[in-house]
Amino acid sequence: EIVLTQSPGTLSLSPGERATLSCRASQSVSSSYLAWYQQKPGQAPRLLIYGASSRATGIPDRFSGSGSGTDFTLTISGLEPEDFAVYYCQQYGSSPQWTFGQGTKVEIK
Amino acid sequence: QVQLQESGPGLVKPSETLSLTCAVSGYSISSGYYWGWIRQPPGKGLEWIGSIYHSGSTYFNPSLKSRVTMSVDTSKNHFSLKLSSVTAADTAVYYCARAGYTFEIWGQGTMVTVSS
Repeated sequence: EIVLTQSPGTLSLSPGERATLSCRASQSVSSSYLAWYQQKPGQAPRLLIYGASSRATGIPDRFSGSGSGTDFTLTISGLEPEDFAVYYCQQYGSSPQWTFGQGTKVEIK
Repeated sequence: QVQLQESGPGLVKPSETLSLTCAVSGYSISSGYYWGWIRQPPGKGLEWIGSIYHSGSTYFNPSLKSRVTMSVDTSKNHFSLKLSSVTAADTAVYYCARAGYTFEIWGQGTMVTVSS
């Protein structure tokens, strides 16, 4: 079973700053099967990035994903007030199985 | 527009079985995709519970496998989750979602509390 570890646990930034979130897998993950979600309080998660780097429909281009193998990154190029939320990475594996990271909270500094 | 809506009891007693249904609109379950359940304990992260293919094949989180049953009813266009022998640790918001490699469409979630 692949374990996803996200870091940092909490990221304190100001609007306009760049956010860099990390997701590390315990073994290699196909880039096609790595996704990122955003979750705001009281809401269901929303798919942001799929295939490690492709933005889902309607996602602004300030969100970008990168990485391969065991190390993946979500970057928010300039934080807007609505971007302060919790972000999860997720991988799809053989069997099939789906696994989430534990989340990174992006909070206002 | 594809929409999913969870329904079921909001309160379940310890040792009993939690039962939830996810109604799908705007898409026929029998047309394809996996259909999944994910939960989130209060203040905690997301945990995949299991997924069911439109054909009825099921796949479960190994940590929950012994207690989980999932089914699909194509005539009603809904799928269901049963989690047996619940404890307080099963208290969570339960989400249903349409799944491929990702969970692309989610229901709004339903809170289930396990308490006597």
